[in-house]
Amino acid sequence: QQPVQSPQAVILREGEDAVINCSSSKALYSVHWYRQKHGEAPVFLMILLKGGEQKGHDKISASFNEKKQQSSLYLTASQLSYSGTYFCGTNAGGTSYGKLTFGQGTILTVHP
Amino acid sequence: EPEVTQTPSHQVTQMGQEVILRCVPISNHLYFYWYRQILGQKVEFLVSFYNNEISEKSEIFDDQFSVERPDGSNFTLKIRSTKLEDSAMYFCASRPLWGGASDTQYFGPGTRLTVL
Repeated sequence: QQPVQSPQAVILREGEDAVINCSSSKALYSVHWYRQKHGEAPVFLMILLKGGEQKGHDKISASFNEKKQQSSLYLTASQLSYSGTYFCGTNAGGTSYGKLTFGQGTILTVHP
Repeated sequence: EPEVTQTPSHQVTQMGQEVILRCVPISNHLYFYWYRQILGQKVEFLVSFYNNEISEKSEIFDDQFSVERPDGSNFTLKIRSTKLEDSAMYFCASRPLWGGASDTQYFGPGTRLTVL
């Protein structure tokens, strides 16, 4: 079952913050965040593992709440380059051999 | 920095024809994947491949699809008789090991398949 992302779309001005959520009804081993620009491959942002952790680099960070099976991606002081579609990919672990099940995506648009 | 490569970048074919999409995963990676993305939709898992065999496949991956690692570097996806609904971007991904940060999957640039 695919994870559910919210919101579906976000429009920001440069410098504003955004939060994108990813929820799953299944127990998760890991959550992977990717950003995809139009016509390009998904680019890996970060991975969060079971155990409930928080990660970040530059102005993008994420958290994983294992009890709620929910992850959130935080974009701080957004830049024009942040525009794109953000996907969370979830991995249930076990014998799933790393298969990622992606959410439907959140379209982020940053205006000057 | 090592990266996953895919060829061709764009393939146009007639319905019913066979196509082979090629991927060269990152050299020390052990797990390989194919995903597809229909225009405007989410990325969907097709198949995972480990130790020279399919480890998991989705319901999309029917008898028309096959994967192969013909040598030490290439990983191919074959569609035997293409249908209009196979038109999509196909992504190859690879990852090194199970567990930890090495669980990361690295995606190739994709092959856009257009079936006419």
